[in-house]
Amino acid sequence: GAGVSQSPRYKVAKRGQDVALRCDPISGHVSLFWYQQALGQGPEFLTYFQNEAQLDKSGLPSDRFFAERPEGSVSTLKIQRTQQEDSAVYLCASSSLGPTDTQYFGPGTRLTVL
Amino acid sequence: AQSVTQLGSHVSVSEGALVLLRCNYSSSVPPYLFWYVQYPNQGLQLLLKYTSAATLVKGINGFEAEFKKSETSFHLTKPSAHMSDAAEYFCAVPPAYSGAGSYQLTFGKGTKLSVIP
Repeated sequence: GAGVSQSPRYKVAKRGQDVALRCDPISGHVSLFWYQQALGQGPEFLTYFQNEAQLDKSGLPSDRFFAERPEGSVSTLKIQRTQQEDSAVYLCASSSLGPTDTQYFGPGTRLTVL
Repeated sequence: AQSVTQLGSHVSVSEGALVLLRCNYSSSVPPYLFWYVQYPNQGLQLLLKYTSAATLVKGINGFEAEFKKSETSFHLTKPSAHMSDAAEYFCAVPPAYSGAGSYQLTFGKGTKLSVIP
């Protein structure tokens, strides 16, 4: 594809609901990253995939957060029992090879938890 | 672990004036450094990337950055600001080569650039 796409662009959830955020990376990109960007802050790392393998999930803030990339392309970030502090923009990025290659970012999903 | 510090959360310049956005890195010399720009309600777009091949790196939209090892800096500049440059700018450093499996980009807190007509 032309770039990284994410859906939905905006999501409003009631506290306690589960949400699923989708990322379509650039075709053929091996590496995929999820970041969380709170208002007025820089992105903070959540998790990293190399193909279908989740090599680093050290940034996931709690066990309510789960990410998968079962076929090594599309990825889904799932948040269970959402809390107000989960409100943020969730950014997905992909790179062609390893983690030090240039990361290309999607437009993000803005999650608001009421 | 690598980190970056961006001095000034908000910078205002007049249209046509010099833009200078500051970024300092910590620890050892990183093999790569990045500047990204984020326009309102959009994702991050790569402005430029330092790869140690040259200390002066030219990016898109007339921006450039100079890597200075002696100052541990990688400041972003543009000779003449344009209204369309108003955005938030992030400096980022790649994973540390510690072998500990740290894969993420580490971002600074960002500098919001306002351009005054």
